[in-house]
Amino acid sequence: DAMVIQNPRYQVTQFGKPVTLSCSQTLNHNVMYWYQQKSSQAPKLLFHYYDKDFNNEADTPDNFQSRRPNTSFCFLDIRSPGLGDAAMYLCATSRDWVLAGPYEQYFGPGTRLTVT
Amino acid sequence: ELKVEQNPLFLSMQEGKNYTIYCNYSTTSDRLYWYRQDPGKSLESLFVLLSNGAVKQEGRLMASLDTKARLSTLHITAAVHDLSATYFCAVTTGGSQGNLIFGKGTKLSVKP
Repeated sequence: DAMVIQNPRYQVTQFGKPVTLSCSQTLNHNVMYWYQQKSSQAPKLLFHYYDKDFNNEADTPDNFQSRRPNTSFCFLDIRSPGLGDAAMYLCATSRDWVLAGPYEQYFGPGTRLTVT
Repeated sequence: ELKVEQNPLFLSMQEGKNYTIYCNYSTTSDRLYWYRQDPGKSLESLFVLLSNGAVKQEGRLMASLDTKARLSTLHITAAVHDLSATYFCAVTTGGSQGNLIFGKGTKLSVKP
């Protein structure tokens, strides 16, 4: 089945130690998104890729970076995690929305990040 | 700036009862989405509403959209315990961007 896969599902890192979260998709979607969801809050968009074009939200901290080496994979890098970065990180994909408007987003299972 | 407001934020109801969750948004949007999230899990798509007057139903859940009022409702009929979850509505920012702006979510608890 076509799907969005995130690895690892649980990640524990130390304060200030860089960490990378992975997302892959078999849907062949052009657009990939990274959301941060803190406990009991709504998901908040960090950035998205439209093909290779990177779009950063204005309030996303510089501590968060992303890479998309090909259509299928996207990575979230947190350069120096702080205690406030502990959250669920959700990857999502959608089809090309330039021609026909934004399509439904399909979410991966998420990676729960703990910072000690 | 597009804002999305849901109410109520918490809802405790008994099995067999009906209730409605409301979602208001502040500016014109292309489409509206409803998602379900179980504790510690990801988001599951429930409905995508594309146009004014759209109504979709799946089991005990029915969603509708009034674009003129900028209002969507999620109606629960004869609630069962399995419906206990957090429900989010979300709208896109419009134009060529597909970014979702979420409401704060409604945490639903259905008790026997």
